[in-house]
Amino acid sequence: GQNIDQPTEMTATEGAIVQINCTYQTSGFNGLFWYQQHAGEAPTFLSYNVLDGLEEKGRFSSFLSRSKGYSYLLLKELQMKDSASYLCAAQDSNYQLIWGAGTKLIIKP
Amino acid sequence: GAVVSQHPSWVICKSGTSVKIECRSLDFQATTMFWYRQFPKQSLMLMATSNEGSKATYEQGVEKDKFLINHASLTLSTLTVTSAHPEDSSFYICSAGRTEPYEQYFGPGTRLTVT
Repeated sequence: GQNIDQPTEMTATEGAIVQINCTYQTSGFNGLFWYQQHAGEAPTFLSYNVLDGLEEKGRFSSFLSRSKGYSYLLLKELQMKDSASYLCAAQDSNYQLIWGAGTKLIIKP
Repeated sequence: GAVVSQHPSWVICKSGTSVKIECRSLDFQATTMFWYRQFPKQSLMLMATSNEGSKATYEQGVEKDKFLINHASLTLSTLTVTSAHPEDSSFYICSAGRTEPYEQYFGPGTRLTVT
């Protein structure tokens, strides 16, 4: 079956770095997405990886290893506004998104 | 670019009535639109996929006669919750997809409360 695993909750300190891991198993693979979702709001797009390696976008970076079925989202210089849920989603052979349950990130001052 | 709107943003209705939610892609033509439902503290659950001009494809367990989806144009899809019940209270989110790059753009969501 298709499955996405990511930690339920993580806590980090303002100004620090945090890495959110995601492992996936899908029928075919057409890319891995990371979304940020604040409570009560729709998800917003953060990153897309389809090739192995690291993609950097400002304070956020995303890594993919297709052979390991593994991705991580790296957040640097954490700010209080980064407190949110981070959703990992893998796109299967039909281009449908298979969603993880989300990782709730709590930032403490 | 790639803005998706939803209307209404929130709605309260009585049990047994029907509610229509609109999803529009404002600055691009969406070949595919997706409807999701999200219960509190849970992940997004895909309800159905719709392509313009054809019938929607519903996920297993989603009643197509209860959740009517119409995708009349490349910029508009509607979800009608018929004979709503309190258990239908949820956050309904649409997304619109383009072929290149294949990415989904999310609407702001509609919070439905059925009393």
